[in-house]
Amino acid sequence: DSGVTQTPKHLITATGQRVTLRCSPRSGDLSVYWYQQSLDQGLQFLIQYYNGEERAKGNILERFSAQQFPDLHSELNLSSLELGDSALYFCASSVGQGGDTIYFGEGSWLTVV
Amino acid sequence: QKEVEQDPGPLSVPEGAIVSLNCTYSNSAFQYFMWYRQYSRKGPELLMYTYSSGNKEDGRFTAQVDKSSKYISLFIRDSQPSDSATYLCAMKAAGNKLTFGGGTRVLVKP
Repeated sequence: DSGVTQTPKHLITATGQRVTLRCSPRSGDLSVYWYQQSLDQGLQFLIQYYNGEERAKGNILERFSAQQFPDLHSELNLSSLELGDSALYFCASSVGQGGDTIYFGEGSWLTVV
Repeated sequence: QKEVEQDPGPLSVPEGAIVSLNCTYSNSAFQYFMWYRQYSRKGPELLMYTYSSGNKEDGRFTAQVDKSSKYISLFIRDSQPSDSATYLCAMKAAGNKLTFGGGTRVLVKP
């Protein structure tokens, strides 16, 4: 158990809908990262937050947004969902902003039908 | 060309054999190198972390980094069926995001 908690573990939703994925980082970690993993794209970095502020942005679509709250938990919002958004979404956390190791949660498996 | 290249496998070995995995990369700014193990539909689990060049050993696992060749390796000695998983290399420059390889699927046959 990495200490990173993600909910929900699985969800199925229809195209055009909106979902919210939630992440609680390891105790003491200030950075939260979101990754998307699909079969054909591998593990893709989406976005990083550090202590409530956005720190780095990767291949995150405009339909997706995230935030980190004062208690350090984070949410990833996915809207206007398309079939191609079906993937495993991982949250990870680390103590600092960079140069240290990150620990992954178990992921949220999203299926868009 | 991807920043980090990793053979997708699958790599099939008999139990007890040495598993040899590697990644090549193009960004000379990478300084931090990691190996993660991922079981099917589970979160990646950090196995090894190395800063800059050199070797690091932890139990049955040995990680090597050759920055001059932009090449990193992971060796698993005395492989077990429980080592069957996908192994992802990852690397980063200071302060930057982690870049992952595509992963190598390993199958250790009893």
